[in-house]
Amino acid sequence: DQQVKQNSPSLSVQEGRISILNCDYTNSMFDYFLWYKKYPAEGPTFLISISSIKDKNEDGRFTVFLNKSAKHLSLHIVPSQPGDSAVYFCAASDPRTGTASKLTFGTGTRLQVTL
Amino acid sequence: AAGVIQSPRHLIKEKRETATLKCYPIPRHDTVYWYQQGPGQDPQFLISFYEKMQSDKGSIPDRFSAQQFSDYHSELNMSSLELGDSALYFCASSSKKLRLAGTNEQFFGPGTRLTVL
Repeated sequence: DQQVKQNSPSLSVQEGRISILNCDYTNSMFDYFLWYKKYPAEGPTFLISISSIKDKNEDGRFTVFLNKSAKHLSLHIVPSQPGDSAVYFCAASDPRTGTASKLTFGTGTRLQVTL
Repeated sequence: AAGVIQSPRHLIKEKRETATLKCYPIPRHDTVYWYQQGPGQDPQFLISFYEKMQSDKGSIPDRFSAQQFSDYHSELNMSSLELGDSALYFCASSSKKLRLAGTNEQFFGPGTRLTVL
């Protein structure tokens, strides 16, 4: 049962343009959402997060939007750079899962930023 | 800044052998998580510890056990290894202080690639 879904396994964007990565979830108890970036043979690197009490969070070139009613979030990268090429994972946490809330990950989207 | 340290980075074992993976969290982090990522899959939660006590348990086989020690490092012990255990094993750390501040960022180590032959 995939509670966090990233329906686009891959995305190709030209350098300088906007990259939009999407994520849908089914568990309405998720209250915190994160985006991680992962290069091959490395661990996921935290990018940006958003609490369910907000609908937008911005950090430099990265903005995350949350639509709770649609159970949908998206990551916008503007402008996209070749170094952004990586696999991006959406993750969510449910506060009911104990003192140390585990993360439930999406299946990932491979972003390729072309010159 | 210090990051999460995992050792070894690579491990090759035969079927039915045992393996021990180690994780050293970011200093002053009191919470450790273990995740398993199979080829082409998303990371799957295995188990977590807060202040040396098990906090949550995911899809961790009975052949695996883990613990967190007084210095907050954690070890994942895997016995009777099977071919299907071949995967990347990530450790992540966080702190209760961060969670009380309303965030749940988990910081990941570089992973241990386990290959079972």
